[in-house]
Order: sequence, then C-alpha cells, then structure tokens
Amino acid sequence: SQELEQSPQSLIVQEGKNLTINCTSSKTLYGLYWYKQKYGEGLIFLMMLQKGGEEKSHEKITAKLDEKKQQSSLHITASQPSHAGIYLCGADNQAGTALIFGKGTTLSVSS
Amino acid sequence: DAGVIQSPRHEVTEMGQEVTLRCKPISGHDYLFWYRQTMMRGLELLIYFNNNVPIDDSGMPEDRFSAKMPNASFSTLKIQPSEPRDSAVYFCASNTRDRGLQAEAFFGQGTRLTVV
Repeated sequence: SQELEQSPQSLIVQEGKNLTINCTSSKTLYGLYWYKQKYGEGLIFLMMLQKGGEEKSHEKITAKLDEKKQQSSLHITASQPSHAGIYLCGADNQAGTALIFGKGTTLSVSS
Repeated sequence: DAGVIQSPRHEVTEMGQEVTLRCKPISGHDYLFWYRQTMMRGLELLIYFNNNVPIDDSGMPEDRFSAKMPNASFSTLKIQPSEPRDSAVYFCASNTRDRGLQAEAFFGQGTRLTVV
C-alpha cells in the first residue's frame, strides 16, 4: 500500500522567515494534495498537483511536485502567525477513489 | 452550500457505551469518507462510500466499528461498545470525481470523541 512520509514532523520558525515542508511517497503520485488544519478544526484544501514538475502558488505558499512524481514540497515565504497549523499532504489511493494522508507537519510561527 | 456537516462536535462517553457519529455530505457529492485522526497514527481512512455503497472498509479497526449510508445526504459511524483507545477526532469528507480522476475532498469540522 502507498505510504506518505512528511518531514519535518514539526518546526518552529520566527515570523518573516521562509520554510519548506516535504512529502515523500513510496509510489508514483497521480494526484498530490496539500491541506492545512488549525487546531480543533477541519482540513482546508490548499492546492492539488498532478503533473511532474508542476508548481502552484497561493498567496505566499508554493507547492511543487518533482519530475519523478514521488516527492512534493510546500514552501512558505515570509511566514506569518496566520500560517501556523498542521500541514498535511494527501495522495490518491491505488484505485484513485480516496485520499490517504501523511501524518502532518505542525508549524508554529513566533512573533 | 453549507459544507460537510458533522454532529456532534464533541462527545464524551463511558467505556462500553454505544456512540453514533453523524455526517451530512455536500449535496451532489457521490463519495463519502470517514477518517480518524490521532497524534500517534495521523489521519487514517476508515471506510468510504460511492453512491451510498461501501467500497472499502479495510481501514475499520475492529468489528466494533460500523458505518452506514442509508441515503445520499446522511451517513453514520457507530462504535459499539466504545473503548478508551477509540478516543480521537473523527472526520467525514465528501467529493465527486465527475470532472476527472483527481479531486480534492471537502472535510467537516470533525467530532472529538473522548471515551472515559
């Protein structure tokens, strides 16, 4: 079965600093999804990547899928306290009918 | 649309009691998913339905867990009897793949279950 590994598990950054979160799959990714979760709340969809080398941006968050489609990175530029939360990467299961997720990366931003 | 609606938001129950979690998916979505989130295991897929039919329940941890979807706008996840290790946040999500194979899932706010 497919597994998603996220790194780091958690990180604390100072406001204004850049950061990167990685997501590595044991199998080829056909759809890679990034979500953000605030404590006690549901998951909010950020971006979906499908093609090797694809890159998408939303405000100060950029996500990229590598050419081999087995690794994705999420980069936040000039972090703000509003970026704090848990970031999860998800991928389509083998049947392409459901999403499975990594364990998440907890981000804290200190002001 | 109001999004995926889950109830209750919080549930505290005693060990051995039956617990029922409820979910209303987004109208028009033909897939419904139940997930469980814990610190140790992250977000696990328990079971999912397509057009009200269970497709894969391999993630359901034990026979104490059961899920139903009697119609397109309602699903339940039941735990009977509940145990302290069932304490977690349970999420319901829905989507449709009528525009292609890849499609994001929309999540409810979750039900925080505590079994004492």
